Amino acid sequence: GAVVSQHPSWVICKSGTSVKIECRSLDFQATTMFWYRQFPKQSLMLMATSNEGSKATYEQGVEKDKFLINHASLTLSTLTVTSAHPEDSSFYICSARVRQNIYEQYFGPGTRLTVT
Amino acid sequence: AQSVAQPEDQVNVAEGNPLTVKCTYSVSGNPYLFWYVQYPNRGLQFLLKYITGDNLVKGSYGFEAEFNKSQTSFHLKKPSALVSDSALYFCAVMTGRRALTFGSGTRLQVQP
Repeated sequence: GAVVSQHPSWVICKSGTSVKIECRSLDFQATTMFWYRQFPKQSLMLMATSNEGSKATYEQGVEKDKFLINHASLTLSTLTVTSAHPEDSSFYICSARVRQNIYEQYFGPGTRLTVT
Repeated sequence: AQSVAQPEDQVNVAEGNPLTVKCTYSVSGNPYLFWYVQYPNRGLQFLLKYITGDNLVKGSYGFEAEFNKSQTSFHLKKPSALVSDSALYFCAVMTGRRALTFGSGTRLQVQP
């Protein structure tokens, strides 16, 4: 149980285009989803927190107009990187949590974005 | 601000020997501490957590961690390392918003 999937697992896009990454909780309802970014050989940095049906809360320094997060249902959150640039190339990881257990987060396998 | 520090980028240990991966934390209030492991091309996997109670926490795959309040540490341990334990390990602390703040990670290399 508690499986989180991400799609795509790997994407290459051209500079200036937009890319959408999906995060799905497959066997549970996720009231909260988190989006992290991981640079090579570095730690995960929290980008934003989203609750189902609400606007995402972004961490300081994360451009909300560039990284659009939508959490439209209890099983799906999307991250759209708009007007991508090479510096946006990174590993994006989502995690999901249920209301009943705030101490458990279930992580997706990540999406590697390369912007050329 | 809450933070965790993992002072070692890499830990090398021989198979069968005990292993320790270090973590220290800085929080205001009670710390909620976690260990996760990351294998290549796979999501982070939960190992164990400390919320309250016994200072020695037992987790998955034979791992355990000891919460030490006076030293603000939460070191990960295993009595006998396996080659399959080789991976990237992250210590994390839960923030007020219930998100996780991760340490920089420690790569564990277990040699056969």
